[in-house]
Amino acid sequence: KQEVTQIPAALSVPEGENLVLNCSFTDSAIYNLQWFRQDPGKGLTSLLLIQSSQREQTSGRLNASLDKSSGRSTLYIAASQPGDSATYLCAVLDSNYQLIWGAGTKLIIKP
Amino acid sequence: EAGVVQSPRYKIIEKKQPVAFWCNPISGHNTLYWYRQNLGQGPELLIRYENEEAVDDSQLPKDRFSAERLKGVDSTLKIQPAELGDSAVYLCASSSNEAGTSSLDTQYFGPGTRLTVL
Repeated sequence: KQEVTQIPAALSVPEGENLVLNCSFTDSAIYNLQWFRQDPGKGLTSLLLIQSSQREQTSGRLNASLDKSSGRSTLYIAASQPGDSATYLCAVLDSNYQLIWGAGTKLIIKP
Repeated sequence: EAGVVQSPRYKIIEKKQPVAFWCNPISGHNTLYWYRQNLGQGPELLIRYENEEAVDDSQLPKDRFSAERLKGVDSTLKIQPAELGDSAVYLCASSSNEAGTSSLDTQYFGPGTRLTVL
């Protein structure tokens, strides 16, 4: 059974720092991996989607990498801003076409 | 373009009462998902529709939960009777089928309905 783990559960850093969020999954048989952002009281917004054949995706200050063989993905946020404060979730699309989610990392960027 | 619309945004009910949630997906999206998200956890899929057909309802607690998408557009999720453990955020998402298999497309989420059962 696919399991997705995100470490750390919470992270607080000063504004301007570069940071890395981690996601690991137990079964490498995935179609893709996505990183989402969730703001309090709001739904989930897809940030980046990496297909299983890809190694990374970039969007603005965000860069996500995928190492399928080791079951790991990282989300790199450059030059963090207070507006980046949110919960970040990763999810893998497994061999049954189901999205399996991590519990998220709550990120706080201090001004 | 309007996003996924859900109502109500918040609902507080007594246990054993019925409750219903409504979702209108993005126009043209034929796949619709209902998720439940408990505090501090990721979403769990309850049911997935392709047009009006429920293609994956394996994780829907069928003794008290039901869902419908009669015309293949908007959908309703119902709980009857509600239990204390049903308190959660219920999320609706939709996706198109451009990739050929709807599950490979990006899902777009609504704001969710926060249910509190007292």
